[in-house]
Amino acid sequence: AQSVSQHNHHVILSEAASLELGCNYSYGGTVNLFWYVQYPGQHLQLLLKYFSGDPLVKGIKGFEAEFIKSKFSFNLRKPSVQWSDTAEYFCAVRAGYGGATNKLIFGTGTLLAVQP
Amino acid sequence: DGGITQSPKYLFRKEGQNVTLSCEQNLNHDAMYWYRQDPGQGLRLIYYSQIVNDFQKGDIAEGYSVSREKKESFPLTVTSAQKNPTAFYLCASSIPRTGGTTKEKLFFGSGTQLSVL
Repeated sequence: AQSVSQHNHHVILSEAASLELGCNYSYGGTVNLFWYVQYPGQHLQLLLKYFSGDPLVKGIKGFEAEFIKSKFSFNLRKPSVQWSDTAEYFCAVRAGYGGATNKLIFGTGTLLAVQP
Repeated sequence: DGGITQSPKYLFRKEGQNVTLSCEQNLNHDAMYWYRQDPGQGLRLIYYSQIVNDFQKGDIAEGYSVSREKKESFPLTVTSAQKNPTAFYLCASSIPRTGGTTKEKLFFGSGTQLSVL
């Protein structure tokens, strides 16, 4: 069965530290990859997405993610975090295209706390 | 096992027909949500409910309706007014965190793919 794994459940960093959140998926075919963020008191919003092309994608607020097909990974990175990045981050995978294979699968989330 | 159950997994709608997507959770969560996923886009919030007998519109509520008569259930009806219903629909629920820096933890169902005949 298809699945998404986020191995870091809770990450605590100081401001200006670098961030890398891991995301691995299990599916051998074509995938679309997403990172969503939920800030305190807010609903989910899209951080970035990968569909095709350059495997290094840039999102909002200085975030980026790299799709490494051979490793089935889509790790999220930011060179220097800010206190305002405190949130929960979800990795998601959409396997296949259209019709019956349009399913979106979420990881369990990584809670990031940035200390000032 | 505790979790969120969405049914059916696949649903087909005829023109002019209303269809209802089921979302049931046995996690004792107060808050529940409906999102829609379209190709090439991120999730968009349709409706959410923070407590039984109360719900609010999300970003794209037009053409949809919900009810929250029971804590465990948050069905979504796609009405004939929704002109582009083909999408993947995801239900979620959340529980308040005790401590930590975010107020709630989201859990997701497995989704329903709705297509128009």
